[in-house]
Amino acid sequence: DAGVIQSPRHEVTEMGQEVTLRCKPISGHDYLFWYRQTMMRGLELLIYFNNNVPIDDSGMPEDRFSAKMPNASFSTLKIQPSEPRDSAVYFCASSFYLFSRTGAGEAFFGQGTRLTVV
Amino acid sequence: GQQLNQSPQSMFIQEGEDVSMNCTSSSIFNTWLWYKQDPGEGPVLLIALYKAGELTSNGRLTAQFGITRKDSFLNISASIPSDVGIYFCAGTGTTDSWGKLQFGAGTQVVVTP
Repeated sequence: DAGVIQSPRHEVTEMGQEVTLRCKPISGHDYLFWYRQTMMRGLELLIYFNNNVPIDDSGMPEDRFSAKMPNASFSTLKIQPSEPRDSAVYFCASSFYLFSRTGAGEAFFGQGTRLTVV
Repeated sequence: GQQLNQSPQSMFIQEGEDVSMNCTSSSIFNTWLWYKQDPGEGPVLLIALYKAGELTSNGRLTAQFGITRKDSFLNISASIPSDVGIYFCAGTGTTDSWGKLQFGAGTQVVVTP
């Protein structure tokens, strides 16, 4: 398996523009997570899905952020309009179970998308 | 904001030395996980702990879930150059939904020959 695939790897955009980050989870995984990593705040969970349904979006910073999972193999995180403070590395992760003791709950992370808003 | 306090922030050690880092929480946690992140990559799970007092090893790595459920440590024995990276603790609090992992700020480990 190719693992969790994120695109693009790097994105530079101007303030006010719409940004769309994409994620393809590992086939067969029921859970998909979006995280944001910054120096100031570290790794933060933004939202996660179970079987394509959003379960907890309390980490989404504000209405400018939205996430969708139209099918089991694809998810997007959209920022509209983007602001310089949105600059960060955004990670997508997927897992089969949530924290199974057998190890099947391990969340596999993608390589991330480094977003720079100027 | 983050409830987890991870220390030390960074460590510079010689190859062959042991490494120890820990994480404390202001509240009780149900799970403790330890991840490693290499530059330009996403975090990779090293060890998962689900029960207070649990001690688990993965090769040269050993981690424990504190009996108070408010702390965890990770030890790396006989460090090698590929141990370089940032190590994160993570956990789920009792009031969090199961998917909501909180991460520590990370411990940067540098191994010199």
